[in-house]
Amino acid sequence: AQSVTQLGSHVSVSEGALVLLRCNYSSSVPPYLFWYVQYPNQGLQLLLKYTTGATLVKGINGFEAEFKKSETSFHLTKPSAHMSDAAEYFCAVSPRIRGSYIPTFGRGTSLIVHP
Amino acid sequence: GAVVSQHPSRVICKSGTSVKIECRSLDFQATTMFWYRQFPKKSLMLMATSNEGSKATYEQGVEKDKFLINHASLTLSTLTVTSAHPEDSSFYICSARGRGLNTEAFFGQGTRLTVV
Repeated sequence: AQSVTQLGSHVSVSEGALVLLRCNYSSSVPPYLFWYVQYPNQGLQLLLKYTTGATLVKGINGFEAEFKKSETSFHLTKPSAHMSDAAEYFCAVSPRIRGSYIPTFGRGTSLIVHP
Repeated sequence: GAVVSQHPSRVICKSGTSVKIECRSLDFQATTMFWYRQFPKKSLMLMATSNEGSKATYEQGVEKDKFLINHASLTLSTLTVTSAHPEDSSFYICSARGRGLNTEAFFGQGTRLTVV
């Protein structure tokens, strides 16, 4: 069975500061890994994903995440926060089985950006 | 990217009535669709997975007679909440995966259901 843990239900940063949202997974085999963003009363938008290859993945809106197998982590970062980044962020994992995509979501981290 | 449209975005219904939520893939054929329920400040809970032309597979604890899912075509899936009660009020989100899109699904914008 796989699971995902997001440390911190809320993260507060100042505009221009570094954003770090933490995600750790538990799986017998490294899964596919995803980060999604959700704005109020909207669905989820994919920020980035890791399936294979380079462990540092760049996504949209200046976000990136690094897969670290030894730490079973996939933390999301952005060098400089913008007010428009304020949203709910979800880390998700899916089994590494070709033809399969059944994601398990973390509980989400609410990013608050102060002016 | 692929677009998934969910309708309606908001619905208010009376207790005891049924409400249908539609999920459409606009520019790809959705071989698999997923229905989620999201509680306030909580993560997404997978309710069921449906493959086109097949019966939906429900997650443990989800009442299949209450949450009817139909995936009759490659572009449309519906979720019908039958005999709705206030505790069914929630945010429902669908997502769809297409043939060959093995590692990603695209999400609809969600439906806010309020049962009064």
